[in-house]
Amino acid sequence: AQSVTQLDSQVPVFEEAPVELRCNYSSSVSVYLFWYVQYPNQGLQLLLKYLSGSTLVKGINGFEAEFNKSQTSFHLRKPSVHISDTAEYFCAVSVYGGSQGNLIFGKGTKLSVKP
Amino acid sequence: NAGVTQTPKFQVLKTGQSMTLQCAQDMNHEYMSWYRQDPGMGLRLIHYSVGAGITDQGEVPNGYNVSRSTTEDFPLRLLSAAPSQTSVYFCASSYRTAAHYTFGSGTRLTVV
Repeated sequence: AQSVTQLDSQVPVFEEAPVELRCNYSSSVSVYLFWYVQYPNQGLQLLLKYLSGSTLVKGINGFEAEFNKSQTSFHLRKPSVHISDTAEYFCAVSVYGGSQGNLIFGKGTKLSVKP
Repeated sequence: NAGVTQTPKFQVLKTGQSMTLQCAQDMNHEYMSWYRQDPGMGLRLIHYSVGAGITDQGEVPNGYNVSRSTTEDFPLRLLSAAPSQTSVYFCASSYRTAAHYTFGSGTRLTVV
């Protein structure tokens, strides 16, 4: 079975500062990796995903993430955050061709950007 | 192309009432699933289906039933609502490759 751990439940940061949201996963097979963002009272929006190839993945809104297989991590980064990045961020994994084909989510990290 | 459509968007139930949350997709996706989202818990899998006529339990199935008679529809039934089922519910669908998921906009359910 797969599992996802988001190491920080809340991350406060000042505007224009860099941020890293940490995600570790556990799986005995190869996985696909995802980051979703959820703005207050809204649904889920895909930020980026890693399926294969380059381990550095660029997404929307200036976010990027790096897949590290040896450390089983998929940390999300942004060099300079804006007030509008305030939201909850979810890391998730899925298994190619798995019998379930479902996303397994972490518990989320609330990013709070302060002026 | 509507994607994944969930209805209703909001619902208030009394304890013991029953209801069905609807989910429909028009992308011919094999996989469909239901999640509930609670503060500090992320999204947890309730039930899922890998094709018409095939369903299985996820992490938190108690109190919920599902069926999948067609590829397009995957309703979630609450037979006797409890306050612990107050949550936001998301439906999702994907192809078997598990590489791209489409989510519905969610149903906010309150059980009083």
